[in-house]
Amino acid sequence: TQLLEQSPQFLSIQEGENLTVYCNSSSVFSSLQWYRQEPGEGPVLLVTVVTGGEVKKLKRLTFQFGDARKDSSLHITAAQPGDTGLYLCAGALNNNDMRFGAGTRLTVKP
Amino acid sequence: DTGVSQDPRHKITKRGQNVTFRCDPISEHNRLYWYRQTLGQGPEFLTYFQNEAQLEKSRLLSDRFSAERPKGSFSTLEIQRTEQGDSAMYLCASSENWAGYNEQFFGPGTRLTVL
Repeated sequence: TQLLEQSPQFLSIQEGENLTVYCNSSSVFSSLQWYRQEPGEGPVLLVTVVTGGEVKKLKRLTFQFGDARKDSSLHITAAQPGDTGLYLCAGALNNNDMRFGAGTRLTVKP
Repeated sequence: DTGVSQDPRHKITKRGQNVTFRCDPISEHNRLYWYRQTLGQGPEFLTYFQNEAQLEKSRLLSDRFSAERPKGSFSTLEIQRTEQGDSAMYLCASSENWAGYNEQFFGPGTRLTVL
């Protein structure tokens, strides 16, 4: 079993729709990162959240870290085809031990 | 381009052969990580270095896997006597060592196919 559970596993939506993906664990993390990965490429860092309850916004993306630092969500407003990709969350158990979820594969149809 | 680079991008080999992959981290980063990613999964941590010291290797998948970072700059990951189950994407990441949180920046990966 994964330390970090991401849901949904797959998501297919139309351009312009909103969506939220989740990253849950029973473990407490010192920080949590979200990455986006395209086929055949390495993950690209989107954001790092550190403080429980923290909310960060990057244009149409909103990231939230749970109060207990065990879970996180990523909300995308008005999705675009360019948002298509695998969204991975990674939690730091300590400064050197990063654990990844299996990802949410998002497809945004034009 | 000052990002993490990996070479080769693709490697096809026959079962039983040895393979070696190279990773060049971001120049000012003193931490370097190796991960393996199989289809439908997130990256799985293998090992990491701080400068030339390998500080964690217990999660290397077997004794056929070894990694080096001889001068604290580039690193190599070697797999001896490859097996079909070794087929995967091998990712390298680097980060700075500071008191804050650990932001890792990934290379494009090396896709290994073992026939």
